[in-house]
Amino acid sequence: ETGVTQTPRHLVMGMTNKKSLKCEQHLGHNAMYWYKQSAKKPLELMFVYNFKEQTENNSVPSRFSPECPNSSHLFLHLHTLQPEDSALYLCASSQPLAGDLGEQYFGPGTRLTVT
Amino acid sequence: SQQGEEDPQALSIQEGENATMNCSYKTSINNLQWYRQNSGRGLVHLILIRSNEREKHSGRLRVTLDTSKKSSSLLITASRAADTASYFCATDNYGKLTFGQGTILTVHP
Repeated sequence: ETGVTQTPRHLVMGMTNKKSLKCEQHLGHNAMYWYKQSAKKPLELMFVYNFKEQTENNSVPSRFSPECPNSSHLFLHLHTLQPEDSALYLCASSQPLAGDLGEQYFGPGTRLTVT
Repeated sequence: SQQGEEDPQALSIQEGENATMNCSYKTSINNLQWYRQNSGRGLVHLILIRSNEREKHSGRLRVTLDTSKKSSSLLITASRAADTASYFCATDNYGKLTFGQGTILTVHP
């Protein structure tokens, strides 16, 4: 148990659906992250929020829309996804200090399948 | 091209043996981190080593960092079957964290 929870753990959605992934951290961290992990590819950083402000958008398609209402919660809103978006989506949090992102604490991930 | 690249891509050893994984990177960093991932689960942080450090220990783990060669190694001593997992290095390039492809370690009982 890392102190970062993600729901749902598994999600199957059609290409026309709209769904949201939720992440919550109980560690008092000020930075939260979304990563995508596909088979045979390195972990890809998608979005970074630092003190609720988005500081990184790693050229992610607009069909992925993040939301960070407070420093403990992070959402990833999904709409009109493609089959190649099927992957494990991981949320993480950390406590940045003096330009250092710090150790990342990961949630268990949401396994997304787009049909 | 990737910032962090692990070598080897896969490693298979017997219980009790040591396992060494290497990571090379291209740009300057302020720290390098190693993570472990069990199949289909989230990553677990193992060790963070800063650019001004050369070696760090945590239990059976030893990490070295050579900034002149832009490389790091993770040594797991006296391996156990429970160490079977994927291991990733991640470079923190002053606020940008980049993960490598990972090394799949299998420890046979």
